[in-house]
Amino acid sequence: QVQLQQWGAGLLKPSETLSLTCAMYGGSFSGYSWNWIRQPPGKGLEWIGEINHSKSTNYSPSLKSRVTISEDTSKNQLYLKLRDVTAADTAVYYCARGVLALRYWGQGTLVTVSS
Amino acid sequence: AIQMTQSPSSLSASVGDRVTITCRASQDIRNDLDWYQQKPGKAPKLLIYAASSLQNGVPSRFSGSGSGTDFTLTISSLQPEDFATYYCLQAYNYPRAFGQGTKVDIK
Repeated sequence: QVQLQQWGAGLLKPSETLSLTCAMYGGSFSGYSWNWIRQPPGKGLEWIGEINHSKSTNYSPSLKSRVTISEDTSKNQLYLKLRDVTAADTAVYYCARGVLALRYWGQGTLVTVSS
Repeated sequence: AIQMTQSPSSLSASVGDRVTITCRASQDIRNDLDWYQQKPGKAPKLLIYAASSLQNGVPSRFSGSGSGTDFTLTISSLQPEDFATYYCLQAYNYPRAFGQGTKVDIK
């Protein structure tokens, strides 16, 4: 049974760096596309980016200058870093694993940016 | 970047109703479209992938159709547990893009 467990700091100040970790339990980490998605309070889903089975990354153009997605296959972990955050980055952040589609999702982590 | 337009943004329906949600892509995406269901406070759940393939464990009252630019999610007989928000996602190219969502609530 694949489970994705997320963690990271939930409260940041403007200009700080958001750092989240997503750990996979009970399945294969390699060979999949690993995605980060976020959802501002009361709003829709926004795709942030992915790292694929070839270890190539693709990012949303609106976030590309500030975001880094990486992985450590030895730990079965996925990482998200988003630099220079503002209040507009306040959202629930999700990790998700997929090949043809995003079949497994983390529980979500609320990150609030406030001075 | 491909834009995904979902309609309606919300709808009210009764248990037993047939519900149809549409998603339109700004360019041809073949059949590279997925549908997700999200309930409040929960992560999205995959319902349909590749436009019309039902994810394992999803009830057969859910179905998807379409190709190219126009896609449809249909719930044949709405059940109480189906009241949720539904999103489409284009998986044709990068950047991936979600539709803005359709909230289905109780009439």
